[in-house]
Amino acid sequence: GQNIDQPTEMTATEGAIVQINCTYQTSGFNGLFWYQQHAGEAPTFLSYNVLDGLEEKGRFSSFLSRSKGYSYLLLKELQMKDSASYLCAMDSNYQLIWGAGTKLIIKP
Amino acid sequence: IAGITQAPTSQILAAGRRMTLRCTQDMRHNAMYWYRQDLGLGLRLIHYSNTAGTTGKGEVPDGYSVSRANTDDFPLTLASAVPSQTSVYFCASRTSIGGTEAFFGQGTRLTVV
Repeated sequence: GQNIDQPTEMTATEGAIVQINCTYQTSGFNGLFWYQQHAGEAPTFLSYNVLDGLEEKGRFSSFLSRSKGYSYLLLKELQMKDSASYLCAMDSNYQLIWGAGTKLIIKP
Repeated sequence: IAGITQAPTSQILAAGRRMTLRCTQDMRHNAMYWYRQDLGLGLRLIHYSNTAGTTGKGEVPDGYSVSRANTDDFPLTLASAVPSQTSVYFCASRTSIGGTEAFFGQGTRLTVV
């Protein structure tokens, strides 16, 4: 079957680093997306991993291990504006299957 | 229009009424999707369309219908609204059915009373 899982909530401190994990199970896996969603707003694209390894985009990096069915989003130098929900989604059999999202709370 | 637009942004609807949520994109994307987002459940796919003229059922299609008469428009209809359809509805589109990012509309907050 298909399954995707991520923690419900995480708390971190401004200026610190946080890693949000996402595990998945599926057949026909094409890649994995990460989106950011601020409260009351639409999700916005952060990254897309197809191959194993780490992809870096400024303060945000995303990692994928296809053999382990595992991805993480790494946020560095946290800012208060990074307080949001982070959604992982697997691109599987030409559909997007979404995790429930991880609410990231950032404290000063 | 720039990107993908939904209307209305919010609506309070009496149970039993019919309602159409509109979604229009100007990016010439082939694939379009309707999701509902409920607290703790994430985005759940209602219906999708891989190209104009075709539609398919997602994870939670009951009580909803869609049409895709052209590339730009993908309306979602609730034939007879029920309180369990209270949710935030997002329309999304992407260039092709795999390997590309999805762009989201701003969402429609629907309350059925």
